[in-house]
Amino acid sequence: AQSVTQLDSQVPVFEEAPVELRCNYSSSVSVYLFWYVQYPNQGLQLLLKYLSGSTLVESINGFEAEFNKSQTSFHLRKPSVHISDTAEYFCAVSPLRGDNDMRFGAGTRLTVKP
Amino acid sequence: DAGVIQSPRHEVTEMGQEVTLRCKPISGHNSLFWYRQTMMRGLELLIYFNNNVPIDDSGMPEDRFSAKMPNASFSTLKIQPSEPRDSAVYFCASSRTAPSPLHFGNGTRLTVT
Repeated sequence: AQSVTQLDSQVPVFEEAPVELRCNYSSSVSVYLFWYVQYPNQGLQLLLKYLSGSTLVESINGFEAEFNKSQTSFHLRKPSVHISDTAEYFCAVSPLRGDNDMRFGAGTRLTVKP
Repeated sequence: DAGVIQSPRHEVTEMGQEVTLRCKPISGHNSLFWYRQTMMRGLELLIYFNNNVPIDDSGMPEDRFSAKMPNASFSTLKIQPSEPRDSAVYFCASSRTAPSPLHFGNGTRLTVT
């Protein structure tokens, strides 16, 4: 089965600073990659996904992630964060073929300070 | 689209009692997942179904846990008997055929005293 490692459990940053949340995956098969965001007392919501094509994918609120096959990474970045970006972020992976067996990383708590 | 609906939103029960968590997936989705989230262990996949059939239940902690999906619009996760270490937030999620993102419910916060 596939697995995901999120290297940072907590990332504190100041408002308007850039941020990078790191994600590495392990799999014996080709995979699809996802980032989800979880706000307090809510379920996870899809932020962005990589299925195929361009290795750089973007979300509607300014986040982007780049799929790097050689480094088996899918790091999430934003050039300038807002207070409202404070949340927990999860990287996830599912196999290219077969069931939608999605596995999540442990999560990274992003805290944006004024 | 009403989203994935979970009930109850909160459940407080005493050790030894039976607990049943319920989930209504999004209409048209053919995969359903149960996850458990705790501070210590993060988000754990317990079991998932494809077309109402359990595919992988290797994440179910022990025999006290059972899950059913009698039809495409309903699933239950049962814990009998419950123990304090089962306290967690339990999420249900559904999706279309892969590759598709998961749609999560708002979770059930279970507290076992």
